[in-house]
Amino acid sequence: QKEVEQDPGPLSVPEGAIVSLNCTYSNSAFQYFMWYRQYSRKGPELLMYTYSSGNKEDGRFTAQVDKSSKYISLFIRDSQPSDSATYLCAIPSGSARQLTFGSGTQLTVLP
Amino acid sequence: EADIYQTPRYLVIGTGKKITLECSQTMGHDKMYWYQQDPGMELHLIHYSYGVNSTEKGDLSSESTVSRIRTEHFPLTLESARPSHTSQYLCASSESGHSVPFFGSGTQLSVL
Repeated sequence: QKEVEQDPGPLSVPEGAIVSLNCTYSNSAFQYFMWYRQYSRKGPELLMYTYSSGNKEDGRFTAQVDKSSKYISLFIRDSQPSDSATYLCAIPSGSARQLTFGSGTQLTVLP
Repeated sequence: EADIYQTPRYLVIGTGKKITLECSQTMGHDKMYWYQQDPGMELHLIHYSYGVNSTEKGDLSSESTVSRIRTEHFPLTLESARPSHTSQYLCASSESGHSVPFFGSGTQLSVL
């Protein structure tokens, strides 16, 4: 079983829609969680960083962590065509606390 | 401006050539990383460094080697490139401790 599993997509939504992106993880010891956004042929850029269970909001983006279910989500409100990208969840794991990434969900927001 | 730079952005090279992918950061970070990413696939850590003269292999086995002689510089070398090395290589850096890596724009390598 992979340490981090992510809904593969691809996902296509109309402009203005609410988008939900999800990951599950296997190790209950994981304590903090990240979401990266990656545009085509670019490096990932950090979008959200959460440490505890519950919600964290930043503009149109909300990161949600449910440690009891080992489930993390990223919600995008009022989605825009510029949000079209691949979204990666990432969790520090292993003895060296290096990031383990999900496989990414490709999102397309149609104008 | 503090940033992380990778060169070249694109490289097409023949089998058997030696190549070095450059990565430099001006953020003063101690930790640096190399990830490999195939299209539509997850990132895999291939090398990391905690600081000068420190290098470790990552989760994914790689025929590449790295060096860390200066804090800001973390080059990756392939002694003899093969078509199986075709991939995107992403360099990242972070502060020590539980810190978030920042990524460069990547080098897209194609070996013919």
